[in-house]
Amino acid sequence: NAGVTQTPKFRVLKTGQSMTLLCAQDMNHEYMYWYRQDPGMGLRLIHYSVGEGTTAKGEVPDGYNVSRLKKQNFLLGLESAAPSQTSVYFCASSRDSDIQYFGAGTRLSVL
Amino acid sequence: SQQGEEDPQALSIQEGENATMNCSYKTSINNLQWYRQNSGRGLVHLILIRSNEREKHSGRLRVTLDTSKKSSSLLITASRAADTASYFCATVTYNDYKLSFGAGTTVTVRA
Repeated sequence: NAGVTQTPKFRVLKTGQSMTLLCAQDMNHEYMYWYRQDPGMGLRLIHYSVGEGTTAKGEVPDGYNVSRLKKQNFLLGLESAAPSQTSVYFCASSRDSDIQYFGAGTRLSVL
Repeated sequence: SQQGEEDPQALSIQEGENATMNCSYKTSINNLQWYRQNSGRGLVHLILIRSNEREKHSGRLRVTLDTSKKSSSLLITASRAADTASYFCATVTYNDYKLSFGAGTTVTVRA
């Protein structure tokens, strides 16, 4: 079982460039989440989804968009990257309000 | 805003000693969870305690919950070098499924 897989693992962007982070889960979970983690801070929720075709804003959604076209995939997009978006991004999935399963993270640097 | 706050921010102990960290939160919760994050890795779920529970054990882990004080503690007994990690508490409020994380406690276990 792969669990939650994030691609890519590392990425360097220039200011203004765009990119998409992919999250895939093989546990048939309804709920999926995107977080960012900055030094000395816990995880902050960017966007989440409660099922295929649905998305909702989290705590820090500005500058990001998401899509959940297939139940197993949750995409996070940055249309015009900014240095403030330099962070480690984590995807997670869950069956309900209990345990969340996390991917290994994507380290993004925006220069 | 983040719901939980961990204390202390950092903890250094000798192998074999116990490690205790605390989490305080602001609003009523459905459940509280503890996660571990090893350096450069994703978060791993450790234990979940529901609002109607006061104590829970899992191996060398003991979690307590005091809803009247809106606080929880995580005790790791007989620590090992492999316990070196950051530990995060996360809360789920009623009628919700999103986790709200604290900033974490960094635990270093010295050999």
